[in-house]
Amino acid sequence: AQSVTQPDIHITVSEGASLELRCNYSYGATPYLFWYVQSPGQGLQLLLKYFSGDTLVQGIKGFEAEFKRSQSSFNLRKPSVHWSDAAEYFCAVGAVSDFGNEKLTFGTGTRLTIIP
Amino acid sequence: DTEVTQTPKHLVMGMTNKKSLKCEQHMGHRAMYWYKQKAKKPPELMFVYSYEKLSINESVPSRFSPECPNSSLLNLHLHALQPEDSALYLCASSPGQGPSYEQYFGPGTRLTVT
Repeated sequence: AQSVTQPDIHITVSEGASLELRCNYSYGATPYLFWYVQSPGQGLQLLLKYFSGDTLVQGIKGFEAEFKRSQSSFNLRKPSVHWSDAAEYFCAVGAVSDFGNEKLTFGTGTRLTIIP
Repeated sequence: DTEVTQTPKHLVMGMTNKKSLKCEQHMGHRAMYWYKQKAKKPPELMFVYSYEKLSINESVPSRFSPECPNSSLLNLHLHALQPEDSALYLCASSPGQGPSYEQYFGPGTRLTVT
């Protein structure tokens, strides 16, 4: 069965500093990988996705992520964070479950706090 | 229009009430989803509809009853809920059902069961 691990529950970063959020996945084949962001009390917004090809993918709001097959990782990065980036970030893998269901499996999320 | 709308935004209901949540999209998507999200947790898939037919039911209790009247509309009927069912209920849609399709999420309905 597929799974997603986000090792960092909470990260605090100064405004203007760089950011890296970690994501590790477990899946037998090449997965479909996503990063979503959720502001408090809101729905989820897709930041970026990886299916195949170039392992460095660009997303919205200045985010990028790098797929590393050897490390089973899909870390999210941003060179300079803004106060508006404070939110919950979810990594997700799209795969076929043991029951044959095609679904998104989310990690537990990383809460990002930005300090002035 | 790239938006998924959900009504109501907030709902408070007693354990004996019957209520419904509504979700709508006009992107021509053929798959629609209901998720439940508890505080500080990731969304948990409840139901998937593909081409207006129930495709996945993640062993959800029968007090939750989904309905897809047409390709743009998804309802979740609620009856005899428990306080532990209080959560944010998210609707999503995608062009098709499958792990490669990007899901578009609505803002959610905050449900409180008293």
